[in-house]
Amino acid sequence: GAVVSQHPSWVICKSGTSVKIECRSLDFQATTMFWYRQFPKQSLMLMATSNEGSKATYEQGVEKDKFLINHASLTLSTLTVTSAHPEDSSFYICSASPGQGGNQPQHFGDGTRLSIL
Amino acid sequence: AQSVTQLGSHVSVSEGALVLLRCNYSSSVPPYLFWYVQYPNQGLQLLLKYTTGATLVKGINGFEAEFKKSETSFHLTKPSAHMSDAAEYFCAASGGYQKVTFGTGTKLQVIP
Repeated sequence: GAVVSQHPSWVICKSGTSVKIECRSLDFQATTMFWYRQFPKQSLMLMATSNEGSKATYEQGVEKDKFLINHASLTLSTLTVTSAHPEDSSFYICSASPGQGGNQPQHFGDGTRLSIL
Repeated sequence: AQSVTQLGSHVSVSEGALVLLRCNYSSSVPPYLFWYVQYPNQGLQLLLKYTTGATLVKGINGFEAEFKKSETSFHLTKPSAHMSDAAEYFCAASGGYQKVTFGTGTKLQVIP
C-alpha cells in the first residue's frame, strides 16, 4: 500500500520549454503532497508543499512563477517548470502521506530526472 | 526548528560486516524519526520509523535503529552487510505535521 507514482521519470528538452511533472497517490488520498529537488550528491531540498484545493506553500528562495504547482485532486499534484533553463536541470521528487500527522512517513515517487539542453 | 545531522557522508564496510550509520537530531521535543534508502535515479524507500513506544525499531532488509533520547540519536544498524545494501541512506525527522527535515545523507559502500 501507499504507492506514489511520478511521471515522467526522465525528460530531456530544449531551453525555454515548459515541463510538467505529475505525482499521483495510487491507493490513498493525499490532501498534502511535497515537492523536492535533489542536486547531485546532496540531500533533498523541499521546494514547496502542495495543498489540495488551495495555493501551494513555497519555501524561501523558490520562485513561485518558475515552479508552478497545482493540486487538482486528492490524488494528483503537478509541478510545472516554466521556461526551463539549464540551471533547472535536476532530480525532482514528490512525496505524499496517507495521514495528516507527523508520525506518518512520507512515501516517495521514483523521481524525475530533468535535463535542459 | 528541527535539524538532522548524519555523521559521515561516505561509509565503507566489508560484505558481512556490521553496518552503522549515525544520525543525530536537534529538536525541542522528541520528533518522529525515519530512515530512508535511495538507489541511483530512484525515489526514497522507507526503511523504518520511530513514532512512539519501543525505542528499538526493526525495518525492512534486516535494518534496525534505536531511538536514544538522552543522546538525541537514531543510529541505523545491520548486523551483516550485503552487496545489495550499497545505496544512499537518509535520516529524517518530522514534528507534529508532515513537513520532514532530511539529513545530508550517507553513501554506503559494501566491499566484496
